[in-house]
Amino acid sequence: GAVVSQHPSRVICKSGTSVKIECRSLDFQATTMFWYRQFPKQSLMLMATSNEGSKATYEQGVEKDKFLINHASLTLSTLTVTSAHPEDSSFYICSARWDLGIEKLFFGSGTQLSVL
Amino acid sequence: AQKITQTQPGMFVQEKEAVTLDCTYDTSDPSYGLFWYKQPSSGEMIFLIYQGSYDQQNATEGRYSLNFQKARKSANLVISASQLGDSAMYFCAMRERGYSTLTFGKGTMLLVSP
Repeated sequence: GAVVSQHPSRVICKSGTSVKIECRSLDFQATTMFWYRQFPKQSLMLMATSNEGSKATYEQGVEKDKFLINHASLTLSTLTVTSAHPEDSSFYICSARWDLGIEKLFFGSGTQLSVL
Repeated sequence: AQKITQTQPGMFVQEKEAVTLDCTYDTSDPSYGLFWYKQPSSGEMIFLIYQGSYDQQNATEGRYSLNFQKARKSANLVISASQLGDSAMYFCAMRERGYSTLTFGKGTMLLVSP
């Protein structure tokens, strides 16, 4: 099946630093990728929709200047958490939509971000 | 109103038994898709099964089947012959026409005991 690779799987950083998370579709092209955030024992909350070659669409309440999204190619989207603070600590997971009409989203393995 | 409701925060089942995880949804769109994902403790989201609103038959994928009752707006996941490796969080999700992403329920934690 289709594979989405997400790196890093875990990152610990100091408050005030920026962290970049990569999401790659390995064996298919994805014009649309999605970034979710998940708090412990809670559901996935959509943060933004990333479209190749255009600006991301952010959900209400998500700071676009804090969570920078770049979808520069059909196989890569990045999420950069800028000036991270402890409240940004969370599990971030990306997904890529298969563009061949099959109703599936494929998910990365997630990134656990811990900001000290 | 919640679009996806999973009323069971946790479920217990013994190995080799069948278990049903409940999911109800709310939409006025006649065209939609329903999904179930499994999230083990490692965090990855694993696609299990898909049901389209116009599909005449209930979806099946190996030990997973979806009990789709359109009039009741329910899409329950049935896992037959539970295995220890089935212990995980299970999420029901819906995609409506015109929306490119999914709306997730709050999830059900399934624990399979020997």
